Amino acid sequence: TQLLEQSPQFLSIQEGENLTVYCNSSSVFSSLQWYRQEPGEGPVLLVTVVTGGEVKKLKRLTFQFGDARKDSSLHITAAQPGDTGLYLCAGGTGGTSYGKLTFGQGTILTVHP
Amino acid sequence: DAGVTQSPTHLIKTRGQQVTLRCSPKSGHDTVSWYQQALGQGPQFIFQYYEEEERQRGNFPDRFSGHQFPNYSSELNVNALLLGDSALYLCASSSLRTANTGELFFGEGSRLTVL
Repeated sequence: TQLLEQSPQFLSIQEGENLTVYCNSSSVFSSLQWYRQEPGEGPVLLVTVVTGGEVKKLKRLTFQFGDARKDSSLHITAAQPGDTGLYLCAGGTGGTSYGKLTFGQGTILTVHP
Repeated sequence: DAGVTQSPTHLIKTRGQQVTLRCSPKSGHDTVSWYQQALGQGPQFIFQYYEEEERQRGNFPDRFSGHQFPNYSSELNVNALLLGDSALYLCASSSLRTANTGELFFGEGSRLTVL
């Protein structure tokens, strides 16, 4: 059974601070995705990383896929209240298993003005 | 371009009842996956439908069943509801074209409460 562990589970910070969320597994994934979910809504895809060591930037968000494709991190620079939400990492194995993602338990981020 | 649409958005059932949830995938997508998200948890994979057949299944009992129609829309059925079935049920669509990246597009979900 593939598991993804996210840390921390809860993060409460002030506007302007930086933060990093980690996603770790003992399993290898062919892709790793990060989603953001607002209360009462479905997850919205932020980024997909597929190559070990890959780094992607999306404005103030930086995503990294570990060299061994077992872990990933999400770094937010100068957090804003609009960044508040549930952040989920999800691993995919591709091929015939596409569409079946293993999700972490999520990180609830609260950014205070 | 319509995204993934789900209905109903909220519903309340009692133990032992049956429920049917519906999903229309994003335009151009042919695969529908269903996930269950308990409060405070990440989504868990229930099953996936492609070409009107169940292709993959997660660790859920047979009380959970589904169907996919020729227009790619899908239904999730849950029989003999238990209190523990209370959750947000998410439908996600994808396409064989994005199979290698495993990208999913989620609907807003159906919030099921079992009393």
